[in-house]
Amino acid sequence: GAGVSQSPRYKVTKRGQDVTLRCDPISSHATLYWYQQALGQGPEFLTYFNYEAQPDKSGLPSDRFSAERPEGSISTLTIQRTEQRDSAMYRCASSQLAGGPSEQFFGPGTRLTVL
Amino acid sequence: ELKVEQNPLFLSMQEGKNYTIYCNYSTTSDRLYWYRQDPGKSLESLFVLLSNGAVKQEGRLMASLDTKARLSTLHITAAVHDLSATYFCAVAIYNAGNMLTFGGGTRLMVKP
Repeated sequence: GAGVSQSPRYKVTKRGQDVTLRCDPISSHATLYWYQQALGQGPEFLTYFNYEAQPDKSGLPSDRFSAERPEGSISTLTIQRTEQRDSAMYRCASSQLAGGPSEQFFGPGTRLTVL
Repeated sequence: ELKVEQNPLFLSMQEGKNYTIYCNYSTTSDRLYWYRQDPGKSLESLFVLLSNGAVKQEGRLMASLDTKARLSTLHITAAVHDLSATYFCAVAIYNAGNMLTFGGGTRLMVKP
């Protein structure tokens, strides 16, 4: 695609529910990142994928968070048993090269609100 | 643990004035990025700085990198209202998967 897309753009859920966020990276991009951005702060790294491999998930806040990229393209971020502290903007970024330094292009984000 | 600090966190300035945003980071880095974020929008890449002494300019913005001091600056010349946004610096470490560690952001307001 022309750019990184994310869906839904907004998600409101009740505490304890599970949510799944989706990221569709730029089609030629091998690497995909997930970041969490709290209001008024910079994005914080959650996890990343090189194609379908997930070399680093050290930024995931708890075992309630998981991510997949089964075919090396679209990725999902799932939060189980959501808590109010999970409310944030979740941003996806993709870059062209696997395992190498290249510019990251960010999607519009999904604003998650947990009531 | 890599830490990235920006200052100031908030900057209100008059049109036509000059100012500098500072970005300090704690460990050796492979590259440094500057991003712009408008309210409710995504992050827009402004500059990528790769080596010591690198300087890049685009319009009224100029970014520089001093890897020995672990410092980058974003200089604003003759500010205009359209530059009002939040600016983030971010540092990448190649061997750490190239994920970005962001500073806290500088919210810039340029008053007419």
